[in-house]
Amino acid sequence: GAVVSQHPSRVICKSGTSVKIECRSLDFQATTMFWYRQFPKQSLMLMATSNEGSKATYEQGVEKDKFLINHASLTLSTLTVTSAHPEDSSFYICSARGRANGKLFFGSGTQLSVL
Amino acid sequence: QKEVEQNSGPLSVPEGAIASLNCTYSDRGSQSFFWYRQYSGKSPELIMSIYSNGDKEDGRFTAQLNKASQYVSLLIRDSQPSDSATYLCAVNIGNFNKFYFGSGTKLNVKP
Repeated sequence: GAVVSQHPSRVICKSGTSVKIECRSLDFQATTMFWYRQFPKQSLMLMATSNEGSKATYEQGVEKDKFLINHASLTLSTLTVTSAHPEDSSFYICSARGRANGKLFFGSGTQLSVL
Repeated sequence: QKEVEQNSGPLSVPEGAIASLNCTYSDRGSQSFFWYRQYSGKSPELIMSIYSNGDKEDGRFTAQLNKASQYVSLLIRDSQPSDSATYLCAVNIGNFNKFYFGSGTKLNVKP
């Protein structure tokens, strides 16, 4: 299957700092990327949909000023958690949809821990 | 009503048995259906995709789709302990930019 690379895999930061997570599609062009958050033993929660060259579409309840998404190219989307707080601690996963078949492939995830 | 529903489990089966995982969806406009496997602490991994009514087989895995009844299932033959994971059903509704996930079914395969 297609490869989606996500970095970093783990981040520990102090409250109030900002954290940037990168998501890259390595062997295909991703017109759309999705960002999910997952709490322990819960399912994926879609945060936002990111289309290349346009503003991200956020799901209800997700603060766009707190979770900044940039999709500057067909292979790269970034999520920046601004002024992180302990309640932002979670597993963040990106996914990318290829042009051809519509299948969704996931990055390896980023475990964010805010102290 | 959730867009995609799954029994959370856990579903326990002995090694070598057939594991049957089920998923129902609410939107009749759904076009594409996917099964993902997620190990604890890892991101989901695509196992199967199915787009039309009937069965689709890939190795030990068979996906079944019934659009009239709005359900999709995954059968795992000759279950192995390494199959123990949470299985997520995903449905693409309307267009390719909306994927809805079920809450996942935890499968335990006992040696």
